Amino acid sequence: AQRVTQPEKLLSVFKGAPVELKCNYSYSGSPELFWYVQYSRQRLQLLLRHISRESIKGFTADLNKGETSFHLKKPFAQEEDSAMYYCALFVGVLYGNKLVFGAGTILRVKS
Amino acid sequence: DTGVSQDPRHKITKRGQNVTFRCDPISEHNRLYWYRQTLGQGPEFLTYFQNEAQLEKSRLLSDRFSAERPKGSFSTLEIQRTEQGDSAMYLCASSLKSPNTGELFFGEGSRLTVL
Repeated sequence: AQRVTQPEKLLSVFKGAPVELKCNYSYSGSPELFWYVQYSRQRLQLLLRHISRESIKGFTADLNKGETSFHLKKPFAQEEDSAMYYCALFVGVLYGNKLVFGAGTILRVKS
Repeated sequence: DTGVSQDPRHKITKRGQNVTFRCDPISEHNRLYWYRQTLGQGPEFLTYFQNEAQLEKSRLLSDRFSAERPKGSFSTLEIQRTEQGDSAMYLCASSLKSPNTGELFFGEGSRLTVL
């Protein structure tokens, strides 16, 4: 079965500290992985995707197929990074052409 | 275009009543998704349309739930004979079929409370 696991419900760090939000997946096909973010009172939106290998708002994520992980990292957290973060796996036509989401991790950046 | 819009934003109903939610996707998007989200959980897939065709339905979608997308534009999600367990946020999202298949644009959601 396709599954995304985010083991931490809440991650609390101080401003300027490094951040790592963990994500593991289970999928028999070729994985396409994403991080979505929901800021307070805003809609869910795409943060980054593994294919583009880009850094968005200082965040990066590397797909590790051996460990089936796609952890989200940022070297220096900022208060405006406080939000709910969801890791998501896009499963192809055999499994319904849909995004499968993890349960999410709340990131709280303290001043 | 202001993005995906959903209506109503909030709905409070009594158990046993029927409710309908509407979603207007981004105009050029041919895929439309419905998700459900409960407290402490990530969005759970319900169903998706490619143009007007409903191509996939989750087993979560009991026969009390029905979704339509006439003419491949807006979509409606109807829940008949609501139960308290239906209380959730119902999210709509749209996307292009390709190339960025996993990039979904979400609406603000319709929150359902069943008393």
